[in-house]
Amino acid sequence: GAVVSQHPSWVICKSGTSVKIECRSLDFQATTMFWYRQFPKQSLMLMATSNEGSKATYEQGVEKDKFLINHASLTLSTLTVTSAHPEDSSFYICSAAEMSGSFYNEQFFGPGTRLTVL
Amino acid sequence: RKEVEQDPGPFNVPEGATVAFNCTYSNSASQSFFWYRQDCRKEPKLLMSVYSSGNEDGRFTAQLNRASQYISLLIRDSKLSDSATYLCVVNSRTGANNLFFGTGTRLTVIP
Repeated sequence: GAVVSQHPSWVICKSGTSVKIECRSLDFQATTMFWYRQFPKQSLMLMATSNEGSKATYEQGVEKDKFLINHASLTLSTLTVTSAHPEDSSFYICSAAEMSGSFYNEQFFGPGTRLTVL
Repeated sequence: RKEVEQDPGPFNVPEGATVAFNCTYSNSASQSFFWYRQDCRKEPKLLMSVYSSGNEDGRFTAQLNRASQYISLLIRDSKLSDSATYLCVVNSRTGANNLFFGTGTRLTVIP
């Protein structure tokens, strides 16, 4: 299957700082990437859908000014958690989907980034 | 109501046992259905897609019942390596292609 990488794999930061997470599709061009968040013992929750060259579409309840998404190329999307606070500590996972006709099939997930805000 | 609902378990079964997981989804217009596996502190990985006719991959069998909006996964001859959380995943938004995840069912296979 396709390979998606994420960097960093884990990060610890002080409250109030900003953290940037990169998601790259290594062997295919991803017009769309998805950002998820997973709290302990909970399911993955879609935060936003990132389309190359356009603004991201955020899910209800996700603050677009706090979670900045940039998808400048077909192989790279970034998520910046601005002014992070302890409640933002979570496992952030990106995915990229290949298209089959007008639908996406399998989503390939990055290995995730574990963010801890002190 | 949640888009996708699963029994969270945990299921603790002996090696060699057969175990079944169930999942229901709320949106009758859902198009695609999947089972993913997630190991502790790792990303989800696709186990299998689920088709209306049912499909089998080795020890794993998936079934879809559109009338009841119900999906199942059957694991036969459980192995220790099957221990993981199994996520029921549904593409639930008509006209878009976003996946909604169930909370997952935790399986532990005991020696």
